[in-house]
Amino acid sequence: GDSVTQMEGPVTLSEEAFLTINCTYTATGYPSLFWYVQYPGEGLQLLLKATKADDKGSNKGFEATYRKETTSFHLEKGSVQVSDSAVYFCARGGSNYKLTFGKGTLLTVNP
Amino acid sequence: GAGVSQSPRYKVAKRGQDVALRCDPISGHVSLFWYQQALGQGPEFLTYFQNEAQLDKSGLPSDRFFAERPEGSVSTLKIQRTQQEDSAVYLCASSLAGGRDSPLHFGNGTRLTVT
Repeated sequence: GDSVTQMEGPVTLSEEAFLTINCTYTATGYPSLFWYVQYPGEGLQLLLKATKADDKGSNKGFEATYRKETTSFHLEKGSVQVSDSAVYFCARGGSNYKLTFGKGTLLTVNP
Repeated sequence: GAGVSQSPRYKVAKRGQDVALRCDPISGHVSLFWYQQALGQGPEFLTYFQNEAQLDKSGLPSDRFFAERPEGSVSTLKIQRTQQEDSAVYLCASSLAGGRDSPLHFGNGTRLTVT
């Protein structure tokens, strides 16, 4: 079935460090791919998405490129801030409504 | 309201009790979803409504779980005879249309603890 595997955390970085969180997905069909973020005490929010191969999603300095050849959608940010501390979830869309999530990666950014 | 609202925020139930969890989606959103998030895991799909019709309930873990959305707006997830393995955060999400390009808006969830 559909699945998403993402890098296990926790990840701890210093402010202004480079961030990569790896995510791979099962290649069945032509899924849309998403990154969601959950800040402390808040609900899941869509961070970015890509709907077809080679698309790049971007938002708030974060980027992820839909790589069909490696079935990957890695999340990157060039310079993290303390306010980026959160749990990040990679997800794929299966049928046109159902999302399959990875287990989440806790990111802590220290000043 | 501005976002998806869920109540209660926290619920503690003794094993064997019935619970009801409420979701108020964003006004006008056609699609509504319930997800279950166990500790340290990602959300897992439970069920999906389009207006009042429950189109997919394949993720409900047992027949103790029941969801409804009778007027196509507010939804209730009911769990009968709760068990300890039901302890999780239950997330509700809504979207305007439900297609692959229609983003999901999540509520803050209800944390259920079964003792």
